Amino acid sequence: QKEVEQNSGPLSVPEGAIASLNCTYSDRVSQSFFWYRQYSGKSPELIMSIYSNGDKEDGRFTAQLNKASQYVSLLIRDSQPSDSATYLCAVNINTNAGKSTFGDGTTLTVKP
Amino acid sequence: DTAVSQTPKYLVTQMGNDKSIKCEQNLGHDTMYWYKQDSKKFLKIMFSYNNKELIINETVPNRFSPKSPDKAHLNLHINSLELGDSAVYFCASSPGVAGVGIWTDTQYFGPGTRLTVL
Repeated sequence: QKEVEQNSGPLSVPEGAIASLNCTYSDRVSQSFFWYRQYSGKSPELIMSIYSNGDKEDGRFTAQLNKASQYVSLLIRDSQPSDSATYLCAVNINTNAGKSTFGDGTTLTVKP
Repeated sequence: DTAVSQTPKYLVTQMGNDKSIKCEQNLGHDTMYWYKQDSKKFLKIMFSYNNKELIINETVPNRFSPKSPDKAHLNLHINSLELGDSAVYFCASSPGVAGVGIWTDTQYFGPGTRLTVL
């Protein structure tokens, strides 16, 4: 089993729709969870971090964390063509030698 | 101001050669990383340094040798390059501490170095 698994994708949604990206992780002691966005040919950039169970909203983005189910998701409301990118889920255990383990990524295409 | 910079951006070389990639961050972070992203976009950590000390060394061939002369710089030297080394290499840094009792590894990535081994 992979440490961090994401929807295999690719995911295609029409402009204005809600895009839902999912991620599960295997290590129960994981403490910090991140969503990065990577445009083609560019480097990953952080869009959301979440540490506690529940929802965290930032503009059109909502991260949801359920530690009991070992599940973290990212919802993008009112999807725009500019949201088309690969979304990477990252998880770390919070030690002094912190290490983020990344999922394989889900490629999202938002069609006008 | 570029937060995390890498040089060169592109590197094309022959098998068997030795090459280096340089990374610098001006964010004042204590921790720096090297990642490899293959053609399938899988991003995998290779090394991590905290204040010039190696703290993470994943299963990477010993042809890869990182060096951190100070906490703002982390270079990667690769000996005897192989075809399978072709990938994009990202340098990243992270602050380490987000708050009381919270350690964060929010990664700030450099622009990447696309290495092509012929």
